[in-house]
Amino acid sequence: DIQMTQSPSSLSASVGDRVTFTCRASQAFGTSLAWYQQKPGKSPEVLIYAISTLQSGVPSRFSGSGSGTDFTLTISSLQPEDVATYYCQKYDDAPLTFGGGTKVEIK
Amino acid sequence: QVTLKESGPVLVKPTETLTLTCTVSGFSLSNARVGVSWMRQPPGKALEWLAHIFSSDRKVYNTSLRSRLTISRDTSKSQVVLVMTNVDPVDTATYYCTRVQEGSESHAFDYWGRGTLVTVSS
Repeated sequence: DIQMTQSPSSLSASVGDRVTFTCRASQAFGTSLAWYQQKPGKSPEVLIYAISTLQSGVPSRFSGSGSGTDFTLTISSLQPEDVATYYCQKYDDAPLTFGGGTKVEIK
Repeated sequence: QVTLKESGPVLVKPTETLTLTCTVSGFSLSNARVGVSWMRQPPGKALEWLAHIFSSDRKVYNTSLRSRLTISRDTSKSQVVLVMTNVDPVDTATYYCTRVQEGSESHAFDYWGRGTLVTVSS
């Protein structure tokens, strides 16, 4: 099975900072890579799909990139409402594996 | 408006069988090219994918839980059911159902239910 590894597991940054976190797959699987945001006590919401396509309604400060086995999610200017845990997931076919998540906090 | 709603027991005893139901609305399980997955999240831990049923009725499972899981659907009731046998306290989690459009129209898992917390305890 393909494993998805996210790093770092947590980060703390200031409002306005550019933050980047990564997701690495144990082998390449194509372009069906999504990023989800999960705020405390809420269900996950998709931010980005197909590596880099922004879901409708998601602020443009979020962006995704990558290829092969390495993918990144960037928040260009961190906002207080971005406090959440972010998960990557491959969604092409089984197993539909999630990464372990990156928890983002404000300094 | 697309919605998914999970339902099932709040408390289950170890070794018992857990049955969870996802009732969907706003799309058809029989007509749309949409698949439905069950995910779970133990308290304070990461999301874990459990099982998925495609629009073709093909079913796939988490490798490590495959022997304990069965996913099925009743299109007439707009429901997807997950059965987990021989539950253990480590199965305590919030269980979510979520959908994905298949093929080129896919936006990954774009609609999620609110989740249902299941506690396994004697």
